[in-house]
Amino acid sequence: DGGITQSPKYLFRKEGQNVTLSCEQNLNHDAMYWYRQDPGQGLRLIYYSQIVNDFQKGDIAEGYSVSREKKESFPLTVTSAQKNPTAFYLCASSIRTVGADTQYFGPGTRLTVL
Amino acid sequence: GESVGLHLPTLSVQEGDNSIINCAYSNSASDYFIWYKQESGKGPQFIIDIRSNMDKRQGQRVTVLLNKTVKHLSLQIAATQPGDSAVYFCAERDRGGTSYGKLTFGQGTILTVHP
Repeated sequence: DGGITQSPKYLFRKEGQNVTLSCEQNLNHDAMYWYRQDPGQGLRLIYYSQIVNDFQKGDIAEGYSVSREKKESFPLTVTSAQKNPTAFYLCASSIRTVGADTQYFGPGTRLTVL
Repeated sequence: GESVGLHLPTLSVQEGDNSIINCAYSNSASDYFIWYKQESGKGPQFIIDIRSNMDKRQGQRVTVLLNKTVKHLSLQIAATQPGDSAVYFCAERDRGGTSYGKLTFGQGTILTVHP
């Protein structure tokens, strides 16, 4: 898990609620990412940020929002517009996005919609 | 290798055997590859990486082989231990023309090591 922390580890949400997942890194990495992992599937990119105050949509951004106000933090909000939010959410960071820089992952947050 | 759907490929080995996990990729523009290990309920852990200008790279007990001709990547684990039991997946990066080198992840292979 290195220097990337995610909280909470488990999160339960009622339908119609927005919830925010926390991701913090102390690796001084410029780039941060949010992925969603469903059983038997590869990781799918939700949003990424190359630098503070900048972020871009990934492949499945609908129903999610992010902010990048600090280099260390990249919170993800799962909104009520996300139709199937139950999944394992993974945050990652890398030194930069250009070049062959490895992405390092946090421990994940498992979100369950009740 | 990787497959589509809910049923991941599986590999069962005895403790002490060598394991080989395969990954096929389709993007000839990919120039960087990573192997990750993911234990149940945890985040993926970096194992080893390789650039497209290499065909082999060795780490501690692990070796990655890259065959660009057939777009095939493999991870070899020597003297496999019960602690190696996990899902292993590969990721490839498309150098593309954008500033963001997007990683595409395979679905994974389940490795089970029997004592």
